[in-house]
Amino acid sequence: QVQLQESGPGLVKPSETLSLTCTVSGGSISNYYWSWIRQPPGKGLEWIGYVYYRGNPNYSPSLKTRVTMSVDTSKNQFSLKLTSVTAADTAVYYCARGGHGYDYWGQGTLVTVSS
Amino acid sequence: EIVLTQSPGTLSLSPGERATLSCRASQSVSSEYFAWYQQKPGQAPRLLIYGPSRRATGIPDRFSGSGSGTDFTLTISRLEPEDFAVYYCQHYGSSPYTFGQGTKLEI
Repeated sequence: QVQLQESGPGLVKPSETLSLTCTVSGGSISNYYWSWIRQPPGKGLEWIGYVYYRGNPNYSPSLKTRVTMSVDTSKNQFSLKLTSVTAADTAVYYCARGGHGYDYWGQGTLVTVSS
Repeated sequence: EIVLTQSPGTLSLSPGERATLSCRASQSVSSEYFAWYQQKPGQAPRLLIYGPSRRATGIPDRFSGSGSGTDFTLTISRLEPEDFAVYYCQHYGSSPYTFGQGTKLEI
């Protein structure tokens, strides 16, 4: 059974960089697209982007200038960096596997942007 | 960017009833790359339907999806108590992959 687990700081200061890692277990990171999706408290889902296991990321236009995604196949992990964060970036961040829809999700990690 | 608009925002029904949830796209999308998710409080979304009528693994057959072009529908034939949740539609045929704003299905 494929499992995804997000990890990273739960609190980030304004203007700093949010960094999260998603570890994939129970399956290979190869041959899939891997995405990040976020959900502000009490709101809906926002797609951040995806990265293929070989690279070639694709980002939401609204976040494109601040987002970087990468894959480490040797560790079966992929990561998200979001620069210059503000309070509007406070959300639960999910990692997910893309194929026919997003069939596997991490449990989500709350990241709060606050000084 | 394709905007997905779900209706209604909230749907109040009882167990045993039939639920029909709608999702309308601002422009035509490939039905092959369309999905529905269920989310319960404190949980990650769960894939229900993709493509747009194929049930994901382990999804009961009371859930069905249909549609093409700009109009898609999720139907729950007979509501069970565990079906009361928020439902999201999503397209993933072209970037950015957007989600609808959600329909809350409540008792």
